[in-house]
Amino acid sequence: DSGVTQTPKHLITATGQRVTLRCSPRSGDLSVYWYQQSLDQGLQFLIQYYNGEERAKGNILERFSAQQFPDLHSELNLSSLELGDSALYFCASSTVSGNTIYFGEGSWLTVV
Amino acid sequence: DAKTTQPTSMDCAEGRAANLPCNHSTISGNEYVYWYRQIHSQGPQYIIHGLKNNETNEMASLIITEDRKSSTLILPHATLRDTAVYYCIVRGGANNLFFGTGTRLTVIP
Repeated sequence: DSGVTQTPKHLITATGQRVTLRCSPRSGDLSVYWYQQSLDQGLQFLIQYYNGEERAKGNILERFSAQQFPDLHSELNLSSLELGDSALYFCASSTVSGNTIYFGEGSWLTVV
Repeated sequence: DAKTTQPTSMDCAEGRAANLPCNHSTISGNEYVYWYRQIHSQGPQYIIHGLKNNETNEMASLIITEDRKSSTLILPHATLRDTAVYYCIVRGGANNLFFGTGTRLTVIP
């Protein structure tokens, strides 16, 4: 158990819909990262937040957005969903020094 | 961050040491070598990291060559539960982790 908690574990939704994935980082961690893993793309970095502020952006679509709240939990919002958005979405967190990044167990999103 | 090269797949007999190589010939002086593994769609699991000295923890050992252009992750006594995809990642500072395709290790009974 890494200490990073993600909900929901599984989600099935229709094309065009919007979903929110939630992440609680490890206690004391200020950085939160989001990654996407689809069958044909491997693990892709989406976005990073540090203490509520966006720190780095990767291959995140404009239809996707994220935020980190004052209690340090984070949410990834996915809108206008397409079949190709079906994937595992991982959240990860790290300490201030950022030496080690720990991953949650992921949220399986299936778009039908 | 520097790019890494790993074999696509490897087999290892149960109970034997698994030695997973990684090349990172363009690594910079301040970049660390990290190893993660992913067991069948679970979240990537941190294994170990190092800068230039060899490192050991309860999971594995990391051997980095003197010129730092390559490294080897050693699982001393592989078990069936070590079957996973192993990622070698070179990372500078608090940058993000960029995952390649990794090595698929299969531990054979």
